[in-house]
Amino acid sequence: GAGVSQSPSNKVTEKGKDVELRCDPISGHTALYWYRQRLGQGLEFLIYFQGNSAPDKSGLPSDRFSAERTGESVSTLTIQRTQQEDSAVYLCASSLEGTNNQPQHFGDGTRLSIL
Amino acid sequence: QQQVKQSPQSLIVQKGGIPIINCAYENTAFDYFPWYQQFPGKGPALLIAIRPDVSEKKEGRFTISFNKSAKQFSLHIMDSQPGDSATYFCAAKASGSRLTFGEGTQLTVNP
Repeated sequence: GAGVSQSPSNKVTEKGKDVELRCDPISGHTALYWYRQRLGQGLEFLIYFQGNSAPDKSGLPSDRFSAERTGESVSTLTIQRTQQEDSAVYLCASSLEGTNNQPQHFGDGTRLSIL
Repeated sequence: QQQVKQSPQSLIVQKGGIPIINCAYENTAFDYFPWYQQFPGKGPALLIAIRPDVSEKKEGRFTISFNKSAKQFSLHIMDSQPGDSATYFCAAKASGSRLTFGEGTQLTVNP
């Protein structure tokens, strides 16, 4: 498809395990964003990639969270030693370019549940 | 200064009504104000956006009203339908920075 693709769509894991979430942006989109959405709440910014520039990691809540992006393609968000408060939907978005006001296109998210 | 405050948290209207969702901001550097619509289990989708050089923008049944001096903007949905039932997020962005989202409004349109 032509949209942002995220996998897995659902992930259930035990507290203390590491998880890896994947995002495939729209082809040609240089900007990629990760957000966290807790139940019934708004979108919390986590990290932003723009081309080959250093990522904006200012939203990552702790050093257990990290993300990588290879060039202008796939990104992975890794959460180490998961805690119950990490339970949320993790959304990825991409846009043509991040500094101008290009619309962000969202995937349907990964619903993460920590037991 | 980066906050965007959205109200109400939830809203129920009858079919054909005109729900209004309001947002307020403090950062005068914000120059782009989009609204997103989110259905359960789906990611947010861009609905309509406005820049501060205009006071109103219409796209179909959706209208954004923008008051620069009051630092407020709102979404109006004309002739609302049950299919409009969703969560709506306002957002704001300054050039070169990232989007800041409001907390969302859960809209229910009853048949």
